[in-house]
Amino acid sequence: IAGITQAPTSQILAAGRRMTLRCTQDMRHNAMYWYRQDLGLGLRLIHYSNTAGTTGKGEVPDGYSVSRANTDDFPLTLASAVPSQTSVYFCASSAGRANSPLHFGNGTRLTVT
Amino acid sequence: KNEVEQSPQNLTAQEGEFITINCSYSVGISALHWLQQHPGGGIVSLFMLSSGKKKHGRLIATINIQEKHSSLHITASHPRDSAVYICAVRPFGNEKLTFGTGTRLTIIP
Repeated sequence: IAGITQAPTSQILAAGRRMTLRCTQDMRHNAMYWYRQDLGLGLRLIHYSNTAGTTGKGEVPDGYSVSRANTDDFPLTLASAVPSQTSVYFCASSAGRANSPLHFGNGTRLTVT
Repeated sequence: KNEVEQSPQNLTAQEGEFITINCSYSVGISALHWLQQHPGGGIVSLFMLSSGKKKHGRLIATINIQEKHSSLHITASHPRDSAVYICAVRPFGNEKLTFGTGTRLTIIP
């Protein structure tokens, strides 16, 4: 089934540990995005990639890094997790044209203790 | 002030009622999205529009570009419509979306 797969679904992580959230899409979409969703705030963009091999910083990039080695995969890494990174993380993709709809993964609920 | 404001923040209605959720924005945009998020669930794109009106089943989305305002309507509401509805806009010259904080809709049987 075409779509976006995120893993893990949820994770509890000790502060200071490194963690990579995985995101894979099979729609051959050029653009991919990582958002975090926190209570009372709208979805906020962490990092994005317009095409394989390129990445850019979003609204809240500090403490996160991404890579886009190929079209399908867009992992998000927390090098040294902090409690403020407790959130629900959503990966999304689009064909990349101005009015292309967004497709979202089911999210990863991360708790940093 | 957020670039995207939604109202109401919370809405509870009886099954069968006509529902309206509003979205106002402060910048020129190339597109506006309406998204749906069920409790504990993922996010689904409902509509993307840049002018006029779109309809899908019991859902209708309208946009007034001059007034910088969009509405999402649900006719004959049903408990399965209970979800958070999120408005997002794509400002001119910006590839990235700006999101509202969502409207939590609860439909009571």
